[in-house]
Amino acid sequence: DQQVKQNSPSLSVQEGRISILNCDYTNSMFDYFLWYKKYPAEGPTFLISISSIKDKNEDGRFTVFLNKSAKHLSLHIVPSQPGDSAVYFCAASVGEGGGADGLTFGKGTHLIIQP
Amino acid sequence: DTGVSQDPRHKITKRGQNVTFRCDPISEHNRLYWYRQTLGQGPEFLTYFQNEAQLEKSRLLSDRFSAERPKGSFSTLEIQRTEQGDSAMYLCASSLGGSFGPGTRLTVT
Repeated sequence: DQQVKQNSPSLSVQEGRISILNCDYTNSMFDYFLWYKKYPAEGPTFLISISSIKDKNEDGRFTVFLNKSAKHLSLHIVPSQPGDSAVYFCAASVGEGGGADGLTFGKGTHLIIQP
Repeated sequence: DTGVSQDPRHKITKRGQNVTFRCDPISEHNRLYWYRQTLGQGPEFLTYFQNEAQLEKSRLLSDRFSAERPKGSFSTLEIQRTEQGDSAMYLCASSLGGSFGPGTRLTVT
C-alpha cells in the first residue's frame, strides 16, 4: 500500500504561470517531508523540505505547504520556467535527523512547462 | 565537496551473473542509503548504513543482495545471480535527504 501518493502522473503549465504539485500521505508517523526534482538518467535533486512543526516553507520560487490534518502537502512553483520541466517526487520520513527507514517516495509527477 | 558519486553509471549483464556497484558519499556524511527505482515508480528504500554499520534492510533486499560499507567510507552493493526483475536504477544517498548520486542503471538481459 502506497504511503505517499502523487495522484497526478503529469501536469502541463504555461511558462510564467504557477505550477502546483500535490502529494498525500497516509502514515501519521511521518514528520518530515521533502520535494525532489529528477531529470532522466540523473539522480533526484533536493528542492525544498518542511518539518511537521511548520505549515509553510519558502525558498525562492518554490514554496511547500503542509496540511497535517488532511495529510496533504503541495509544492508551488512561481513563476514556472522551461527548466522546471522534470519529474517531481514527494518524499516523507519519520524524523529529520536520519531515520533508519530512509525516505518513502511517491510515484512522481511529470511537470511540463509549455512556452 | 564533489557530491555523491556512483560507479558504473550503466551496467548491462546477462541473467545469472553477479554485479557490484560502488557509491562514494560526501566525506563528512556518516549516513548512507541505497534505493532502487523502477520505471514509473519513485525510489524505494533498500538499506541504510551509519558509518560502517548496516542498521536497516528493506524486505526488498533479498538474499541475493548484499551491501557493505567498510571503514564507513564508500559502499558497495552486490547482486548475485541477477534476474530480469533486478533491472532498475540503483541510487545511493548520503545523509537522509538532499544528496543523491547519479545512479547506476542496471539492465539484465
